[in-house]
Amino acid sequence: QKEVEQNSGPLSVPEGAIASLNCTYSDRGSQSFFWYRQYSGKSPELIMFIYSNGDKEDGRFTAQLNKASQYVSLLIRDSQPSDSATYLCAVNRGLNDMRFGAGTRLTVKP
Amino acid sequence: NAGVMQNPRHLVRRRGQEARLRCSPMKGHSHVYWYRQLPEEGLKFMVYLQKENIIDESGMPKERFSAEFPKEGPSILRIQQVVRGDSAAYFCASSPPSLQASDGNTIYFGEGSWLTVV
Repeated sequence: QKEVEQNSGPLSVPEGAIASLNCTYSDRGSQSFFWYRQYSGKSPELIMFIYSNGDKEDGRFTAQLNKASQYVSLLIRDSQPSDSATYLCAVNRGLNDMRFGAGTRLTVKP
Repeated sequence: NAGVMQNPRHLVRRRGQEARLRCSPMKGHSHVYWYRQLPEEGLKFMVYLQKENIIDESGMPKERFSAEFPKEGPSILRIQQVVRGDSAAYFCASSPPSLQASDGNTIYFGEGSWLTVV
């Protein structure tokens, strides 16, 4: 079992729709969870982090965490073409040990 | 406050040569991570270091690859006798000493080094 699993996509949504990105992790001791966005040919940039069960909202982005199910998600409301990128889920397994999923490629069609 | 600095940004090597990639962490950061990204694939963990100490190198290939983070100077990822399959983007990231959940601290990435083996 991979440490961090994501659907590779591609996920395609129309402009203005909600994009839902999912991630599961294997280490129950994982402490905090991050979503990064990576444009083609660029380095990953942090979008959000979450460490408590429930929802965390920041603008058009909402991160959701369910530790019992070992599940993290990212919702993007009112998707824009500029949101088209690969979204990487990252998990801090403790002691600064960060592991990444393979990423989900999102395409927002105008 | 300079971010994570990687160099070179682009490197071309012939098969059998050595590649050296450098990474200077953000100011105040004590931990360095190296990740490899093959074309159209996700980030693969390679190694995680503190100054003068390799904490976890479970993602490093057993041969030809090595990493160090000396007391002075940048972290270096060294690939000996490169092969075509080593062509990839190599990302370095750094973090502060603590990544406690409530801190919201995370790791920050450099711009990457793109290695092409011809």
